[in-house]
Amino acid sequence: SQQGEEDPQALSIQEGENATMNCSYKTSINNLQWYRQNSGRGLVHLILIRSNEREKHSGRLRVTLDTSKKSSSLLITASRAADTASYFCATGDFGNEKLTFGTGTRLTIIP
Amino acid sequence: KAGVTQTPRYLIKTRGQQVTLSCSPISGHRSVSWYQQTPGQGLQFLFEYFSETQRNKGNFPGRFSGRQFSNSRSEMNVSTLELGDSALYLCASSLYSGMNEQFFGPGTRLTVL
Repeated sequence: SQQGEEDPQALSIQEGENATMNCSYKTSINNLQWYRQNSGRGLVHLILIRSNEREKHSGRLRVTLDTSKKSSSLLITASRAADTASYFCATGDFGNEKLTFGTGTRLTIIP
Repeated sequence: KAGVTQTPRYLIKTRGQQVTLSCSPISGHRSVSWYQQTPGQGLQFLFEYFSETQRNKGNFPGRFSGRQFSNSRSEMNVSTLELGDSALYLCASSLYSGMNEQFFGPGTRLTVL
């Protein structure tokens, strides 16, 4: 079963604009991670935020986590054509040694 | 370090057959997880192995099985294939835990006819 629901399901923006994706989850978590997947290939880890952290940055990526609302957002600034991909959130749940993935957001950057 | 490798990359089978997929984790990684990805169900966790022991299992029928060898390489097996088993099967490795940063292989695309 899916733990995370991502919103929106699909997003198209112009190159250079910022892209924001949201993830909601249901249970208590140890950490939340974001991954990128280029068309039908393996996933690439982008960033991990722990349950006691509220914000984290990595290059053009900014992730926030609100455990009271059970939600997270991923912001990609100054988007590039190479950012076109599907983005997934995944939660590391207490009591399980596994990740549960969300439904994903398909991001298209228009040159 | 070399990344996670999966073989074969593509596979076509017919209903009722069985299939074995292989995964070689990053050197030094002891945890190997398997996921099934389909358009309808998304990414679903199959199982995780750590030091040759299955540590966690997803909600899949017993036709799906796996194992891990002493060198951390892992295999998964699907018996009596069904059309619905057509999917991208992804293997991921990490140092110690299936819920920390995962390093994914390119996947094996299985088509069941």
